[in-house]
Amino acid sequence: GENVEQHPSTLSVQEGDSAVIKCTYSDSASNYFPWYKQELGKGPQLIIDIRSNVGEKKDQRIAVTLNKTAKHFSLHITETQPEDSAVYFCAASPHNYGQNFVFGPGTRLSVLP
Amino acid sequence: DAGITQSPRHKVTETGTPVTLRCHQTENHRYMYWYRQDPGHGLRLIHYSYGVKDTDKGEVSDGYSVSRSKTEDFLLTLESATSSQTSVYFCAIAGTGGGTEAFFGQGTRLTVV
Repeated sequence: GENVEQHPSTLSVQEGDSAVIKCTYSDSASNYFPWYKQELGKGPQLIIDIRSNVGEKKDQRIAVTLNKTAKHFSLHITETQPEDSAVYFCAASPHNYGQNFVFGPGTRLSVLP
Repeated sequence: DAGITQSPRHKVTETGTPVTLRCHQTENHRYMYWYRQDPGHGLRLIHYSYGVKDTDKGEVSDGYSVSRSKTEDFLLTLESATSSQTSVYFCAIAGTGGGTEAFFGQGTRLTVV
């Protein structure tokens, strides 16, 4: 089955700097890769996603890149703000019946003012 | 938030007692999932449903059962709760077809004493 690894497990950046979180996956059948942000006491919230027919996607300060050959994808946050502090999860999902999502272990991002 | 309601939000129960958690959606989504979240493990799939009365096991299904008698409701039952089932449980929903977004509920914090 699918296995998703995520690095780093914790990340501290100064406000205004960029943050990068990297994930790798094992199943070449996976073709949908969402990223979730989880704030304390809340459920994960989808912030951006990418499909296998696209190499990069951007939404304001957030971007995701995908390298299917190497089986890795990354989340990039530019001009970080204190409200970006949260736990971020990557996930991979195969395009098949059942549509299960396999999640990485998470990255705790702290943006220092 | 997507139309997902989890109940109860918090529960403390004793070892050996049965417990049922409820997930209710108003989005008419086909897929529903139960995940548990534990430190260092991210989100792990317990069971999922791909339609009324259609369910299947995830990676950590031992000790859990599910039922889906209506599109909008997905129940997770711990037949005889154990301390290892102390966790935060999240329900998620997703639409039909491959690669569609999954949305999470606010979670249920379960403590087994």
